[in-house]
Amino acid sequence: NAGVTQTPKFRILKIGQSMTLQCTQDMNHNYMYWYRQDPGMGLKLIYYSVGAGITDKGEVPNGYNVSRSTTEDFPLRLELAAPSQTSVYFCASKTPPGQGKATQYFGPGTRLTVL
Amino acid sequence: DQQVKQNSPSLSVQEGRISILNCDYTNSMFDYFLWYKKYPAEGPTFLISISSIKDKNEDGRFTVFLNKSAKHLSLHIVPSQPGDSAVYFCAASAANSGGSNYKLTFGKGTLLTVNP
Repeated sequence: NAGVTQTPKFRILKIGQSMTLQCTQDMNHNYMYWYRQDPGMGLKLIYYSVGAGITDKGEVPNGYNVSRSTTEDFPLRLELAAPSQTSVYFCASKTPPGQGKATQYFGPGTRLTVL
Repeated sequence: DQQVKQNSPSLSVQEGRISILNCDYTNSMFDYFLWYKKYPAEGPTFLISISSIKDKNEDGRFTVFLNKSAKHLSLHIVPSQPGDSAVYFCAASAANSGGSNYKLTFGKGTLLTVNP
């Protein structure tokens, strides 16, 4: 069981470039989340989705976009990369309501550097 | 405004002794609390959780205590092992709030080092 997978593991972008961070889960979880973690800080929620076709903003959504066309995939899009988006990005998914409450399960992360 | 606070950036303990990691929160709507462990270059791994209807939850060497009146929780690791060395994040959710969508609010983390 692969759980939550993320690609790529590392990426260096130039200012103004765009890219998509991929996230896939094979646990049939409806709820999925994108976080970023800056050095010395906790994880901050960027966007989340409660099911295919439904997404909403988190705490720090500016500069990002998401889509959720399938239960399994929740890609995060950076349109115009800026140095402030240098961070480690984590995708997570949550067990269905009634199982494990709010417990989220995380992927291994994507380390992004914008120069 | 930090709703979940871990005021100790780091903690160092000897192998075999108890590790106590602390977490404070300010949002009274939080009713579910979790601890995650994170090794370098890996994603956070769920460790243990507690619902606000309990004041203690135990899982092997790990015990989480919740003091709702003080808005404080702690994670006890007994006995501590060198493999426990990692960053520990406290997280909270208003899980029973219909509009929460189970979103988690994280503290900044505490780096635990267990010395052999």
